[in-house]
Amino acid sequence: DAKTTQPPSMDCAEGRAANLPCNHSTISGNEYVYWYRQIHSQGPQYIIHGLKNNETNEMASLIITEDRKSSTLILPHATLRDTAVYYCIVKNNNNDMRFGAGTRLTVKP
Amino acid sequence: EPEVTQTPSHQVTQMGQEVILRCVPISNHLYFYWYRQILGQKVEFLVSFYNNEISEKSEIFDDQFSVERPDGSNFTLKIRSTKLEDSAMYFCASRGGAVSSGANVLTFGAGSRLTVL
Repeated sequence: DAKTTQPPSMDCAEGRAANLPCNHSTISGNEYVYWYRQIHSQGPQYIIHGLKNNETNEMASLIITEDRKSSTLILPHATLRDTAVYYCIVKNNNNDMRFGAGTRLTVKP
Repeated sequence: EPEVTQTPSHQVTQMGQEVILRCVPISNHLYFYWYRQILGQKVEFLVSFYNNEISEKSEIFDDQFSVERPDGSNFTLKIRSTKLEDSAMYFCASRGGAVSSGANVLTFGAGSRLTVL
């Protein structure tokens, strides 16, 4: 699997957009970008995934650069409940999901 | 919304004892997984299971560990002789069977906390 690089921590003000970056410069053509988050010690929760087009769902938006070497997860209006560790994972359809250290996002009032 | 259910939520055991952690994956899912997370550390892949056999396992998943799908609904992780370092949160996950990016989305359970004394 391609490796990903994420900042270890970020802060965001409540109500503002949270933009979480991820670098995956060695991504292969058949690898997708997945984002999960883990709130406190709960099980990881799927957020969104994409291949090359930008994606949006009820939780977040995923912006993937044209060269696919990086992406940004956007939480448009962060709330205190969005405080969590966010994981960016790159994988193809055949291998298993492996988690890195992620970014610890703290949403502050 | 369909859920992955794990039991027990917390188990305390003595070193050397056998432990079985149970999971009920989402009913129409075909791929099953166990992960663990030692306190303060990252989520680590242990094993994946499909068609009644292990698909892949990590170096953590040694001979002390085994998995089983004893019936049509349960998926279990057994630790034969627990060690202090097995203390962790264990997460079960499942996903659908189609080969597509959407089918690769894992649904995780809430976890089972294992404390080995």
